[in-house]
Amino acid sequence: AQSVTQLDSQVPVFEEAPVELRCNYSSSVSVYLFWYVQYPNQGLQLLLKYLSGSTLVESINGFEAEFNKSQTSFHLRKPSVHISDTAEYFCAAEGSQGNLIFGKGTKLSVKP
Amino acid sequence: DTEVTQTPKHLVMGMTNKKSLKCEQHMGHRAMYWYKQKAKKPPELMFVYSYEKLSINESVPSRFSPECPNSSLLNLHLHALQPEDSALYLCASSQPTGGTYEQYFGPGTRLTVT
Repeated sequence: AQSVTQLDSQVPVFEEAPVELRCNYSSSVSVYLFWYVQYPNQGLQLLLKYLSGSTLVESINGFEAEFNKSQTSFHLRKPSVHISDTAEYFCAAEGSQGNLIFGKGTKLSVKP
Repeated sequence: DTEVTQTPKHLVMGMTNKKSLKCEQHMGHRAMYWYKQKAKKPPELMFVYSYEKLSINESVPSRFSPECPNSSLLNLHLHALQPEDSALYLCASSQPTGGTYEQYFGPGTRLTVT
């Protein structure tokens, strides 16, 4: 079955600390992988995506994710978080019908 | 313009009402999607339109009826809903379907069924 797993439902972290949000995908999904962010009462925004090429992808606001085929992972990292990074983060993969298969989400809470 | 707009932002309706949700994009995208998102859950795909034709219906109850009048507009007609249908309804578009094409999401309509 096609699935995307986010192991942590909540990640509390202090401001300026590093953070890693974990994502694993089943080998039955494509290797088109995405991270979306959802701020409270808003829609989803694409943070970054891996389609091919370099296994390390970066976003404009300091997040990066590394595609690891052997571990079927696509973890999201940021070396120093801000209060404004508090949000829900969804990892997703392309399904067989061109749709998105989402993980259950990780709530990142950044504390001062 | 990379915006997907959705109206209304909030909707409260009774179980006997008929209402419609509207989604619009002017990015020239040829695929449009409806998702349902319950609190603290990921979005669940409901329908996909590709080139104005319904290509995916994820076994959604018939009380939800999608419509794609043209390539820029997507409607979701609601009738005889149940309280458990209360959720955030998200519209998205892409060029066209397929993971290599980013899906752009609207802000959603928060629906409450009383």
